[in-house]
Amino acid sequence: QSALTQPPSASGSPGQAVTISCTGTSSDVGAYNFVSWYQHHPGKAPRLVIYEVNKRPSGVPDRFSGSKSGNTASLTVAGLQAEDEADFYCTSYAGNFNFVFGSGTTVTVL
Amino acid sequence: EVQVVESGGGLVQPGGSLRLSCSASGFIFTTSIMYWVRQAPGKGLEYVSRISGDGSGKVYADSVKGRFTISRDNSKNTLYLEMNNLRVDDTALYYCVKDRTGAYSFDHWGQGAQVTVSS
Repeated sequence: QSALTQPPSASGSPGQAVTISCTGTSSDVGAYNFVSWYQHHPGKAPRLVIYEVNKRPSGVPDRFSGSKSGNTASLTVAGLQAEDEADFYCTSYAGNFNFVFGSGTTVTVL
Repeated sequence: EVQVVESGGGLVQPGGSLRLSCSASGFIFTTSIMYWVRQAPGKGLEYVSRISGDGSGKVYADSVKGRFTISRDNSKNTLYLEMNNLRVDDTALYYCVKDRTGAYSFDHWGQGAQVTVSS
């Protein structure tokens, strides 16, 4: 399976919003509402920030939100803060207990 | 507090073998689906393998099928990844990950174990 397509980079000033897209196919993103997003600060363990397209685990600020339309999912980080600077990855369930990850997006807070 | 801690990484020659371990605590291990996910240097995350709570159901990425074996010892709250016939492109940081129940997502990640395959 091919990786889900994400833009390599995204940026915004503090307080602004940034949106990251994640494009798959009708066999993964389009087929299941099991898209999740992970924040990864280099050298640390990745952190789940969105699951099942738009649900937030406890402890994740409501500045993080997710959505999906067709074969494309999106993550929006509103009210950007310096600590949001990280790599973000999307993942989709692809059936038969298989998953496909996105290529990753580096978010920079200007 | 949920914790997963990997161990067993190291440097191995191409064609060699290595076994990773993951010690889990803070949750009911016996009913938790567990995964291995890896990240090669400068690359993104890659799904490697999955195992059901009782160990009967196992899934592998095509890139490791036939060479890697996932297993678990529920009496020891430990997950394993036996890696054989290692290749240079298996070089990566290997993460042990706990499933978010029913949500097909990766809930808690360890810090990772570094595996380097080089002659």
